[in-house]
Amino acid sequence: DAGVIQSPRHEVTEMGQEVTLRCKPISGHDYLFWYRQTMMRGLELLIYFNNNVPIDDSGMPEDRFSAKMPNASFSTLKIQPSEPRDSAVYFCASSLGSADTQYFGPGTRLTVL
Amino acid sequence: KQEVTQIPAALSVPEGENLVLNCSFTDSAIYNLQWFRQDPGKGLTSLLLIQSSQREQTSGRLNASLDKSSGRSTLYIAASQPGDSATYLCAVRSGGSNYKLTFGKGTLLTVNP
Repeated sequence: DAGVIQSPRHEVTEMGQEVTLRCKPISGHDYLFWYRQTMMRGLELLIYFNNNVPIDDSGMPEDRFSAKMPNASFSTLKIQPSEPRDSAVYFCASSLGSADTQYFGPGTRLTVL
Repeated sequence: KQEVTQIPAALSVPEGENLVLNCSFTDSAIYNLQWFRQDPGKGLTSLLLIQSSQREQTSGRLNASLDKSSGRSTLYIAASQPGDSATYLCAVRSGGSNYKLTFGKGTLLTVNP
């Protein structure tokens, strides 16, 4: 398996623009997680899905953030409108079970100017 | 609310030295604890996962211990090599219904040749 795939790897956009981050989990994994990493706050869980259903979105910072998982092999994290404080590295991870090892993608480095 | 602290924030050692990285957590009611490695610009790679009922796990030159009652874990790296240079993150998975991972901010390890 190719592991967790994320795209794009880098995104530079201007404040107010819509940003869409994409993730393909490892085939067969029932859980998908979106994280955000910053120097100040470290790695924070934003939302996670089980069998394509959002289970806990309490980490989503604001209504500007939304995530979807239309099928078992694809998820998106959307920010609309984007702000400079959203600049961070966004990671997607997947796992077989809720308490199993999580496998991380390479991340998307987002810069909002 | 679970909080995870890693000390030191950065560590520099000469090649060949044995070293210990520390992780502490505030709520001892954990399900398991995981150590990750993160290389610059890359995602996280799982190194070891210790269940709450276990005291330690070993993989090659790595040994992780867990003392749940005192809220501590250590990652021991034997005979360090320059290739071990990376950021090491500790993550605690709490029990209950959602099995969230809470991460420390990591220890940046540099092994000098």
